[in-house]
Amino acid sequence: EDKVVQSPLSLVVHEGDTVTLNCSYEVTNFRSLLWYKQEKKAPTFLFMLTSSGIEKKSGRLSSILDKKELSSILNITATQTGDSAIYLCAVVGNTGKLIFGQGTTLQVKP
Amino acid sequence: NAGVTQTPKFQVLKTGQSMTLQCAQDMNHNSMYWYRQDPGMGLRLIYYSASEGTTDKGEVPNGYNVSRLNKREFSLRLESAAPSQTSVYFCASSFWSRGADTQYFGPGTRLTVL
Repeated sequence: EDKVVQSPLSLVVHEGDTVTLNCSYEVTNFRSLLWYKQEKKAPTFLFMLTSSGIEKKSGRLSSILDKKELSSILNITATQTGDSAIYLCAVVGNTGKLIFGQGTTLQVKP
Repeated sequence: NAGVTQTPKFQVLKTGQSMTLQCAQDMNHNSMYWYRQDPGMGLRLIYYSASEGTTDKGEVPNGYNVSRLNKREFSLRLESAAPSQTSVYFCASSFWSRGADTQYFGPGTRLTVL
């Protein structure tokens, strides 16, 4: 059965800290891994990763995929209170459907 | 360009009542999805429609039915609501056939079943 596990489930940091969120997966015929940020409402797309070792960056956020370890990390540097959200990892296998992890709830305190 | 829209935003039902959640997208996507989100469980796929005219079960389809009315619209129906269906429901859409897995989500419907 396809499975995605995120850790930690929740995290509290102070502004300026750097955080690393983890996502590990077991999926048949891996196709891609996606990261989403969810604030009050709908998840919004952050990154899609398909190749191992290639870092994707957007401002203070970056992510990398390790297909050998079946995992991905999402880094946020110099965190701000606006980074407070649920971060969702999802994986696509041969079914083409997204399998989501439980999410990591990040709280950034001033 | 509104993206993905959902109605209603909030709904309270009594056990046994029925209702339909509506979803529409204006991005010309061929695939549409319905998810539910419960605390600590991420998003779970209820049903999806890879293309107009097709629908398939996801991870948690029991108690739900769907209709892909046309390319733009995908509705989710609860025939006899149960308290276990209290959740936040999200609709999403994507271009499946292009191999692009990025799904775009609607704002969600918060449903409470008493």
